Parts: sequence; C-alpha cells; structure tokens
Amino acid sequence: DSGVTQTPKHLITATGQRVTLRCSPRSGDLSVYWYQQSLDQGLQFLIQYYNGEERAKGNILERFSAQQFPDLHSELNLSSLELGDSALYFCASRAGVNTGELFFGEGSRLTVL
Amino acid sequence: QQQVKQSPQSLIVQKGGISIINCAYENTAFDYFPWYQQFPGKGPALLIAIRPDVSEKKEGRFTISFNKSAKQFSLHIMDSQPGDSATYFCAAARNSGNTPLVFGKGTRLSVIA
Repeated sequence: DSGVTQTPKHLITATGQRVTLRCSPRSGDLSVYWYQQSLDQGLQFLIQYYNGEERAKGNILERFSAQQFPDLHSELNLSSLELGDSALYFCASRAGVNTGELFFGEGSRLTVL
Repeated sequence: QQQVKQSPQSLIVQKGGISIINCAYENTAFDYFPWYQQFPGKGPALLIAIRPDVSEKKEGRFTISFNKSAKQFSLHIMDSQPGDSATYFCAAARNSGNTPLVFGKGTRLSVIA
C-alpha cells in the first residue's frame, strides 16, 4: 500500500459528460502529480501541484483541469469527454520538491462509451 | 517527441534467466533515472534508481547499467522469477528528480517456468 488513495477505482460514462477524479496523497506529502496511462502511450504526465499551487504542466488537454485543496487532496476534472479519454488515471505524491521517489495510487480507470 | 525510448515492448524469459530492458534518452539535462515496476491492477512502484555519477547500481537481483556518453541505461534482472512478471517503466527527470518524471512506454515481462 503506497498510502496514496484514488477514487473512484472504476468509472463508466458517456461521451460529452464530465467526471471528477479524486486523490488523497500520502500523509505529509505536498506534491501531487497526475498521469494518464494508455496502452499505446504509456504514462503521460498531465499536471503537478505543490502545496496548493500549480507547479508544472504536461500534456494536459484544455478540457481537463485540476486543483489541489488546502488539505492537500487533489481533483482532476475531465469534461466534454471523448472516446479517446478512456484510460487509467494515476495520482502520485512525494514529500516535497527535492525528493525523487513518486508514490503512485492504484489509479482510476475511466471508460467513455 | 518521445524523450525516453524503451525497448522491447514485451519480453518472455525462462525462470532463472536474465531479463534485460533498455532505455535511451535525448535530453542531456536529465540527471535522475529510476525504474518503476507495475503489477496488474496496481500503480507503478519505484524499483531502483541511478544518478549519472555512477555507471552501475545493484540492489539484490536488480541492476541498472548507465552509459552517459551513449545516453542509454538498462535494467538487468538476474535469476528472473515468475513473481517478477510485471510491466517495467524506465523514466528520467531533470534537476535530481525535482521535475516531473518522463516515462518510457513500458515493457511487459513474462517469466515462465
């Protein structure tokens, strides 16, 4: 158990809909990362937050947004969903900015029909 | 542009054999190279990591070999066991891991008895 909790584990929705994925980092971890995993693209970095502020942005679509709340949990919002958004979405956390190990949650599997 | 190229995509090894997975990177600013292991239904977990000041790092049956001039690094799993069957991801980051990890596309390893 990595200590990172993601909900929901599975989500099935229709095209055009909006979903929210939630992540609770390990206790005390200030950095939260979101990654998207698909079969053909591997793990793609989406966005990073550190202590409530956006720190780095990767290949995140404009239809996607995220935030980190004062209690350090994070939410990834996916809107106007398309079939191609079906993937595993991972949240990861680490203690600060100066340590290299990421601790991953078990992921949220999104299926868009 | 894929910054970290990983090969092979899949690998089948006999129990007791050596599993070798290779990665190549382009960005010479990368200075932190971890390997993550992912079992089905789980998130990736750090297996072993290396920094470019050493050419090899060994932890138990797992060894990273690093060739800075060739911009390549590899994972060797000695005496491979069925329990090693998983997907392995190489990754890289700048500034000693302070920046988000860039992952390879993964190698699915199957160790057969």
